[in-house]
Amino acid sequence: GQNIDQPTEMTATEGAIVQINCTYQTSGFNGLFWYQQHAGEAPTFLSYNVLDGLEEKGRFSSFLSRSKGYSYLLLKELQMKDSASYLCAVRDQDNQGGKLIFGQGTELSVKP
Amino acid sequence: DADVTQTPRNRITKTGKRIMLECSQTKGHDRMYWYRQDPGLGLRLIYYSFDVKDINKGEISDGYSVSRQAQAKFSLSLESAIPNQTALYFCATSDSALAGIYEQFFGPGTRLTVL
Repeated sequence: GQNIDQPTEMTATEGAIVQINCTYQTSGFNGLFWYQQHAGEAPTFLSYNVLDGLEEKGRFSSFLSRSKGYSYLLLKELQMKDSASYLCAVRDQDNQGGKLIFGQGTELSVKP
Repeated sequence: DADVTQTPRNRITKTGKRIMLECSQTKGHDRMYWYRQDPGLGLRLIYYSFDVKDINKGEISDGYSVSRQAQAKFSLSLESAIPNQTALYFCATSDSALAGIYEQFFGPGTRLTVL
């Protein structure tokens, strides 16, 4: 079966660092995505990992370990606008590389 | 102008009615997707299409149908709406011509309520 797990909710303080974890068990693996979604809005792409290791993009970094079926999204220097839902998604081993399987999302609240 | 548009943005309807949600894109992408989002369940794939002649079922296609009228347009229909189809619906696109990432771009969503 296909299963992607993330914590439902997290709270952090403005200026701090927060790590959002994602574990997955899928029939195949061809990359992992993180999306950000503000309430009532469309998801927007944050990061992509297909090889093990850390990908850094400004205040956001994403890590992947394929052997452990594990990823995390690291947000540094948190700002109030980072309050949003963060979605982990795995692209399964599909011939045409297009389908994503999403976790339920982690609702992050940033407090002053 | 938005690259992926959805109409309507909000719709309230009654049980048993036929509803069509429309998606258009100006990104020139060949692949299009329909998802629904429910609280606590994340995004679930309903149908997807990799080109005009290609239609595939996702994980929750029962009660839905789609039409890919052109490369830029992908419509989702609920033949006889029921209350548990109340959800936020997203259309997304991706481009197979860009090697590697196949990032999906999402429309603004349609909030559908079935009474």
